[in-house]
Amino acid sequence: EAGVAQSPRYKIIEKRQSVAFWCNPISGHATLYWYQQILGQGPKLLIQFQNNGVVDDSQLPKDRFSAERLKGVDSTLKIQPAKLEDSAVYLCASRLTGGDYGYTFGSGTRLTVV
Amino acid sequence: AQTVTQSQPEMSVQEAETVTLSCTYDTSESDYYLFWYKQPPSRQMILVIRQEAYKQQNATENRFSVNFQKAAKSFSLKISDSQLGDAAMYFCAYPTPSGGGADGLTFGKGTHLIIQP
Repeated sequence: EAGVAQSPRYKIIEKRQSVAFWCNPISGHATLYWYQQILGQGPKLLIQFQNNGVVDDSQLPKDRFSAERLKGVDSTLKIQPAKLEDSAVYLCASRLTGGDYGYTFGSGTRLTVV
Repeated sequence: AQTVTQSQPEMSVQEAETVTLSCTYDTSESDYYLFWYKQPPSRQMILVIRQEAYKQQNATENRFSVNFQKAAKSFSLKISDSQLGDAAMYFCAYPTPSGGGADGLTFGKGTHLIIQP
């Protein structure tokens, strides 16, 4: 089966600009997650979707970050305006609902804010 | 708050030797899963091994095995016959349910594993 697809692979922007990341999960995976991984740390959950509904966005900085999954398939994460501290790898993951927690991760987008 | 602690920022081992990476966690759940993930420079998180907390038997996957101590909330990873391809960051993680179906993973800070040829 195809894996979790993410794009772009790299992005460099200036502070105060906006940026968007795209994720296409494994076909049939109803649950989708976005994580932020700052250099030298483990990933931190930003938001979880179940189909096109938000299940958990408690750690999403809602003043500048937004995410959507309109048709319950692919998803977009946006940052506007970006800050220097947003420099990180943004990972998308998906899994079937229920079952044995078979999370599958994409290769992430490395964002550098200068 | 749910936490995962990996106390070894970096570990080094000779090729073909055995190495153990440590992890402790804090949860109030009685039944849960625990995971070890490998993250090479390609950045993709790759599942190494998974343990179900209600199972007494420690999980094994080829050269990888865990020592799961539920009472101590300890979940260490043992890599036998280390290979150059095992060099990567290793993360311990578990799902942290918080109602409404929320089950995102909480990760430790990771251990950088170096394999010396």
